[in-house]
Amino acid sequence: AQSVAQPEDQVNVAEGNPLTVKCTYSVSGNPYLFWYVQYPNRGLQFLLKYITGDNLVKGSYGFEAEFNKSQTSFHLKKPSALVSDSALYFCAVRTGASTARQLTFGSGTQLTVLP
Amino acid sequence: DGGITQSPKYLFRKEGQNVTLSCEQNLNHDAMYWYRQDPGQGLRLIYYSQIVNDFQKGDIAEGYSVSREKKESFPLTVTSAQKNPTAFYLCASSKALGVNTEAFFGQGTRLTVV
Repeated sequence: AQSVAQPEDQVNVAEGNPLTVKCTYSVSGNPYLFWYVQYPNRGLQFLLKYITGDNLVKGSYGFEAEFNKSQTSFHLKKPSALVSDSALYFCAVRTGASTARQLTFGSGTQLTVLP
Repeated sequence: DGGITQSPKYLFRKEGQNVTLSCEQNLNHDAMYWYRQDPGQGLRLIYYSQIVNDFQKGDIAEGYSVSREKKESFPLTVTSAQKNPTAFYLCASSKALGVNTEAFFGQGTRLTVV
């Protein structure tokens, strides 16, 4: 069974500082990884995805994520945080197995950027 | 303006009642999904559909039912058999059930049992 872990429920960072939101995964076979952001009482918005190729993936709003196969991680990063980045972030995974193509989500990490 | 529309935004249900949550998409996507979100638990898959007139149970299908009579629509019924239905429900769609296709989400319906 595929699974995703987001080890930190809450991450606080000062505005202008770099931010990292952690994600590790467990799958059989090749992983396909996604990051989403959710603002209060809203749906999820897609940020970026890793399918294959370059391990550093760039996405929306200046976010990027690094795929590390040996550590089974896909951490989300941004060089300089904004107060408006404060939101709930979800990592998700799926594989190529026909029985597991639906997305499996982590439990989410609440990011707070302090002014 | 393309997207996924969920209605209503807020829904109140009495004990023992069935309620239906609407989800419509105009993105011409084949695959549609229903997720339930509870605080601290992330999103859990209820049902998903790859094509019209076909759907599969997800991880927490008990007490829920769906239909897919049209490509654009994937309504979710929360039945009286669902013992703890109070949650935030999210509908999503994607081009296909392919590994490299991201899902697009609606704005959600918050269901409360009163």
